[in-house]
Amino acid sequence: EAQVTQNPRYLITVTGKKLTVTCSQNMNHEYMSWYRQDPGLGLRQIYYSMNVEVTDKGDVPEGYKVSRKEKRNFPLILESPSPNQTSLYFCASSLNRGRNTGELFFGEGSRLTVL
Amino acid sequence: AQKVTQAQTEISVVEKEDVTLDCVYETRDTTYYLFWYKQPPSGELVFLIRRNSFDEQNEISGRYSWNFQKSTSSFNFTITASQVVDSAVYFCALSESLYNDMRFGAGTRLTVKP
Repeated sequence: EAQVTQNPRYLITVTGKKLTVTCSQNMNHEYMSWYRQDPGLGLRQIYYSMNVEVTDKGDVPEGYKVSRKEKRNFPLILESPSPNQTSLYFCASSLNRGRNTGELFFGEGSRLTVL
Repeated sequence: AQKVTQAQTEISVVEKEDVTLDCVYETRDTTYYLFWYKQPPSGELVFLIRRNSFDEQNEISGRYSWNFQKSTSSFNFTITASQVVDSAVYFCALSESLYNDMRFGAGTRLTVKP
């Protein structure tokens, strides 16, 4: 089954404790992206990747890191989480994103709470 | 810069009513793509439709229809004879050409009451 898988789905952590949210897709998509969803703000892009070893900042990259060492994986790293990073996070992937033709396929979301 | 505005934060209707969700966008590009996504209470994001800027044909899919008007920079979504299962948050999104990415509106929460 074609899917984008995120883990963990739910996480409560404390300020400053490094964490990684994994994202994996099995559709051989070149493009992957991370969004955060906050009430009244819709989805805002954190980072995106056009292909392996190619990443770029989105609208709200501060406090986050990403890597794209393999085509299927695009982990989101919070080196020192803070309470303002409490949010619902979505990973997404798409085919041929550089030609901007395809819709995004989303993971199920990861709800993160930073105390 | 690209921008998507969904002015309706919340809409509440009674089952079987028709409802229109508004979406207004801003872009300087002549080539762009518009999308609608649905987020039901379970939280996942479900793709509904993509429309290219060079195709202004309206589209109908069952009870759903979309009205794309470049003259007013709008891409409105109508649900005919709404059902309780239509209750969700609906997001409009815009994607410009090459290397610019998808920008979402703030979303409209639709509640359909029985």
